[in-house]
Amino acid sequence: EDKVVQSPLSLVVHEGDTVTLNCSYEVTNFRSLLWYKQEKKAPTFLFMLTSSGIEKKSGRLSSILDKKELSSILNITATQTGDSAIYLCAVPALTGNQFYFGTGTSLTVIP
Amino acid sequence: GAVVSQHPSRVICKSGTSVKIECRSLDFQATTMFWYRQFPKQSLMLMATSNEGSKATYEQGVEKDKFLINHASLTLSTLTVTSAHPEDSSFYICSARVGTGADTQYFGPGTRLTVL
Repeated sequence: EDKVVQSPLSLVVHEGDTVTLNCSYEVTNFRSLLWYKQEKKAPTFLFMLTSSGIEKKSGRLSSILDKKELSSILNITATQTGDSAIYLCAVPALTGNQFYFGTGTSLTVIP
Repeated sequence: GAVVSQHPSRVICKSGTSVKIECRSLDFQATTMFWYRQFPKQSLMLMATSNEGSKATYEQGVEKDKFLINHASLTLSTLTVTSAHPEDSSFYICSARVGTGADTQYFGPGTRLTVL
């Protein structure tokens, strides 16, 4: 059965810390992995990764895909309170249009 | 990026009534839209895939007669929760893909439904 698993489920850090969020997947005919950030409303798109080993970067956030290990990490450096959110990892299914979502990691950044 | 809107953002209704939620792609045409449901502290659960001009495809366990989906145009999909009950209270989110075959989905801001 296809699935996406994220860890940790929740994380509390202090401002300025660096965090690493993990996503592992078992999806038939994988082609891409997406990261989203969800605050109070719906998820906002962060990154899409298709090739292994290539880092996608946006400011303090970066992500890498490891197709050999069937996983991806999302790094956030110098965390700020505004980074507090749920971070979701999603992998599109080959057939149909379904996304397999992970359970999400709830990040809380304390001032 | 692509913008998806949802209306209303919040609705409170009495048990037994029907509620319609609209999802619009504002600056692109979406042949496919998706409807998700999210319970507190849980991830998104796909309810159905809405295809323009054809019937929606529902996920296992989702009652198609209770959650009516209509995708009448390339920019609008609607979800109607019929005869709502308190257990239907949830956060409903729609999303759309930009172009066929694209993997990226853009999400609407969500609709918080509370059924009294």
